[in-house]
Amino acid sequence: GAVVSQHPSWVICKSGTSVKIECRSLDFQATTMFWYRQFPKQSLMLMATSNEGSKATYEQGVEKDKFLINHASLTLSTLTVTSAHPEDSSFYICSARSGSGGRGEQYFGPGTRLTVT
Amino acid sequence: GQQVMQIPQYQHVQEGEDFTTYCNSSTTLSNIQWYKQRPGGHPVFLIQLVKSGEVKKQKRLTFQFGEAKKNSSLHITATQTTDVGTYFCAGRDSGGSNYKLTFGKGTLLTVNP
Repeated sequence: GAVVSQHPSWVICKSGTSVKIECRSLDFQATTMFWYRQFPKQSLMLMATSNEGSKATYEQGVEKDKFLINHASLTLSTLTVTSAHPEDSSFYICSARSGSGGRGEQYFGPGTRLTVT
Repeated sequence: GQQVMQIPQYQHVQEGEDFTTYCNSSTTLSNIQWYKQRPGGHPVFLIQLVKSGEVKKQKRLTFQFGEAKKNSSLHITATQTTDVGTYFCAGRDSGGSNYKLTFGKGTLLTVNP
């Protein structure tokens, strides 16, 4: 159980275009989903927290107009990188939280490797 | 803001040797989680510790949560080549309200067969 899928697994796009990444919880309902960014050999940096039916909460330094997050249902959240630039190239990972209260563990998707040329 | 420090950054061992990674938070945690990320893969949840002084075991892995709920450790006994990867701790602040985790920088474990 507790499977999270992410699509696409990798994408190459041209500078200036937009890319949408989907995150789905396959066998549980996720009221909260998280979007992380990971540079090579570095830790996961939280970008934003997404709650179903409400606006995402962005971490300091993350441009909300550039990284659009939509959490339309209890099983789907999307991250759109708008007007992508080479510095946006990274590994983007979503996670979905199970459980109630403050103790639910997070289950991570397989990640999306974005390369902007 | 909350900071989670993790040491060492790298650890190289011979197969069969033990391995320990340590995690220390600047604030008291409601719980701490441990994840393993294989090279090229994504983080995989290993365990969650909630209670002060808690100790949990998974085969050769032993996880501890400090009495003050500010530090934690992961110990692997008799490492195997399958243990290779980066081990992350992630803490949830006891005063936080949005359930977000703060990750340590991770410890990359390599095992020489």
